[in-house]
Amino acid sequence: SQTIHQWPATLVQPVGSPLSLECTVEGTSNPNLYWYRQAAGRGLQLLFYSVGIGQISSEVPQNLSASRPQDRQFILSSKKLLLSDSGFYLCAWSVQNYEQYFGPGTRLTVT
Amino acid sequence: DAKTTQPPSMDCAEGRAANLPCNHSTISGNEYVYWYRQIHSQGPQYIIHGLKNNETNEMASLIITEDRKSSTLILPHATLRDTAVYYCIVRVGLAYSGAGSYQLTFGKGTKLSVIP
Repeated sequence: SQTIHQWPATLVQPVGSPLSLECTVEGTSNPNLYWYRQAAGRGLQLLFYSVGIGQISSEVPQNLSASRPQDRQFILSSKKLLLSDSGFYLCAWSVQNYEQYFGPGTRLTVT
Repeated sequence: DAKTTQPPSMDCAEGRAANLPCNHSTISGNEYVYWYRQIHSQGPQYIIHGLKNNETNEMASLIITEDRKSSTLILPHATLRDTAVYYCIVRVGLAYSGAGSYQLTFGKGTKLSVIP
């Protein structure tokens, strides 16, 4: 069966520090991968999606970036965090255009 | 993109059926209705989806009206573990669709509280 992992589960980082969140998927090949952010009390916002290794599409302009160095690995990064980057970050995967399955999430607090 | 409208909150007695409504009056003919739920501090969980016909799986049933302008998610026997925010989503297409990627637009959903 397929599983999706995210780490770390929680993170507290100062403003201006770098960020690296990792997501890995097991049990499937060539998945579509997604990064979402959920700010407190708000819905999910799609940040990035990827249909293959090295292929990244950004949905909203921001100081975050994403990379997909391997088929089942998706990384969310920032060189300098802002206070507004605080939130709940979720990775998801899907097979082609079918339903998406979400990971457990990373709660990021920027202080 | 079709938008959805859901009540902000609902209560349901434990053991009773929970019926969660969703309005999607501007849905297009090739757009699906998806339902997800999110238990506090966890990632969203896929529940069910449908196009025209009613659907049922081990978690829930989805009833879509004939004109497809609204739908209802039914949890037949709600338990305390079903307390969550339920999202009704209409699938839209992404600009890049080389592998059929699609975007899920999550609104604020319905907060379902199952009461003992």
